[in-house]
Amino acid sequence: AQSVSQHNHHVILSEAASLELGCNYSYGGTVNLFWYVQYPGQHLQLLLKYFSGDPLVKGIKGFEAEFIKSKFSFNLRKPSVQWSDTAEYFCAVNAQQDTDKLIFGTGTRLQVFP
Amino acid sequence: DSGVTQTPKHLITATGQRVTLRCSPRSGDLSVYWYQQSLDQGLQFLIQYYNGEERAKGNILERFSAQQFPDLHSELNLSSLELGDSALYFCASSPGAQVVVEAFFGQGTRLTVV
Repeated sequence: AQSVSQHNHHVILSEAASLELGCNYSYGGTVNLFWYVQYPGQHLQLLLKYFSGDPLVKGIKGFEAEFIKSKFSFNLRKPSVQWSDTAEYFCAVNAQQDTDKLIFGTGTRLQVFP
Repeated sequence: DSGVTQTPKHLITATGQRVTLRCSPRSGDLSVYWYQQSLDQGLQFLIQYYNGEERAKGNILERFSAQQFPDLHSELNLSSLELGDSALYFCASSPGAQVVVEAFFGQGTRLTVV
């Protein structure tokens, strides 16, 4: 069965610090990968997605993620975080052969202090 | 605004009771997904409907059931409620049977069982 692991449950950073959130998945086949963000009190929104092609994906608000197939990873990065990036971040995967289910990680809570 | 509407926003009920959560997908979307978000379990996929038919099932308890109506809105029924059912319940929709493109999430219904 597919699963997604986000090892950092809670990350605290100061503004301008660099961010990297880990995401590993377990599935041997071809996958589609997503990062969603949930700002306080809001619904989940898509940050970026990877289906194929360039493994370095750029998303909104300066975020990017790199798909490393050999490591089954899809880590999220941002060179310089802002206070407004305070949110919960979810990595998600679906298998291209079973695209009905979007499997989420447990999320990483990011707190950015001014 | 994602275009996905969930009602009610908040619900407080007693153990043993039954509640119904409602979701209206984005206009034109045929797929509806239900997720449960709790502090200890993260975001868990419950069930998916596509054009009125159950399409995929996740970690949904037997006490829970869902359906999608001809107008494509969906309801999640939770019965014999337990304290542990307290969570945020999200609905998401996407255009087709596959979530390859993007799933759009509603604001969620916060259920508190007392």
